[in-house]
Amino acid sequence: QKEVEQDPGPLSVPEGAIVSLNCTYSNSAFQYFMWYRQYSRKGPELLMYTYSSGNKEDGRFTAQVDKSSKYISLFIRDSQPSDSATYLCAMPQGGSQGNLIFGKGTKLSVKP
Amino acid sequence: ETGVTQTPRHLVMGMTNKKSLKCEQHLGHNAMYWYKQSAKKPLELMFVYNFKEQTENNSVPSRFSPECPNSSHLFLHLHTLQPEDSALYLCASSQVLQSPLHFGNGTRLTVT
Repeated sequence: QKEVEQDPGPLSVPEGAIVSLNCTYSNSAFQYFMWYRQYSRKGPELLMYTYSSGNKEDGRFTAQVDKSSKYISLFIRDSQPSDSATYLCAMPQGGSQGNLIFGKGTKLSVKP
Repeated sequence: ETGVTQTPRHLVMGMTNKKSLKCEQHLGHNAMYWYKQSAKKPLELMFVYNFKEQTENNSVPSRFSPECPNSSHLFLHLHTLQPEDSALYLCASSQVLQSPLHFGNGTRLTVT
């Protein structure tokens, strides 16, 4: 089993839809969970960053962590065409938050 | 323009060539990283430098040679590459090892 699994999509939704993006992981030692957004021909940018279980909200974005199920989610409310990008989940392995293990990314397209 | 600048944006090289990728960060960070992003594969960590010292080499072949002369600059020297080395090479930096990464926009490398 891979350490981090993420459905690559592509996922296509109409503008205004609620989007749910998910990752599963196998290492129960992971404590920090990140979501990066990568636009075409750009580098990834940090979108959300959570520690341990629970929810974190930032505007239209909500990150959710369920450590008992080893499952993390990113919800986007009122999705916009500008949200069209690839979304990558990531977790630090070892003692360094810079040594991240990434999912393959889910490509999202929001249609006007 | 991001705080992490990578040059060139695109590079085509033959298998016998020698070339270098350059990364510069303007964020005052102390840690710098090279990641490789191949089609349909997760981002892979290659090297980590902390205060100019290499702290991680993720079993990268010796045809990739990193150099970090100071905390603001990072190079990746390339020689006798293989076609399967074609990928997007991303540089990232962080304040210290225990903080989120800021990525550049990458160098798209094609090995012919």
